[in-house]
Amino acid sequence: QVQLVESGGGVVQPGRSLRLSCTASGFTFRSYAMHWVRQAPGKGLEWVAVIWYDGSNKYYADSVKGRFTISRDNSKNTLYLQMNSLRAEDTALYYCASGGDSEGFEMWGQGTMVTVSS
Amino acid sequence: EIMLTQSPGTLSLSPGERATLSCRASQSVTSTYVSWYQQKPGQAPRLLIYGASSRATGIPDRFSGTGSGTDFTLTVSRLEPEDFAIYYCQQYVPSLRMFAFGQGTKLEI
Repeated sequence: QVQLVESGGGVVQPGRSLRLSCTASGFTFRSYAMHWVRQAPGKGLEWVAVIWYDGSNKYYADSVKGRFTISRDNSKNTLYLQMNSLRAEDTALYYCASGGDSEGFEMWGQGTMVTVSS
Repeated sequence: EIMLTQSPGTLSLSPGERATLSCRASQSVTSTYVSWYQQKPGQAPRLLIYGASSRATGIPDRFSGTGSGTDFTLTVSRLEPEDFAIYYCQQYVPSLRMFAFGQGTKLEI
């Protein structure tokens, strides 16, 4: 059974850091590019970052560039998002999703909520 | 920056009718890199269409995608009650090394 499970969300003060994790099972994790996508409450989807299957390429949305870092550990079937210098506008449900540039985002987790508030 | 504009913002139809959703890009994109998703309240998005016109695994054939250049369309030929949801288009722009989503179209009964 294919599964992506996010964790690590919570309430954090502005300017602080948080690390999200996404653990994969039921498919060959190391063969897939992986993304983080977020959704602010009541809003649409916003792509955050992607990491290629082997970690060779990492791309970011302008809104998080320089503050967020995506990484992966294929030996642990786990994707990460290190979020630094958090802002109120980073408040969202963060999803991890699998998929390359031309296959669409095929598999999604259920998301982990991040709230940035003092 | 790449922008995707979806229209209409809200589409009100009845079961059995045909739905046509539009997605317009601010610059020409390769259709290979265009996808469509469905999202229902409290659920993660679900991939419907990739490569502009290929249905994802398990997606009914009443869903179809077309388009090229800057204009892409998702069509639902005969609406079922479970099709009422929010739909997003998405694309990848290699030159910008970025992915982007449209703002969504709400399909309501």
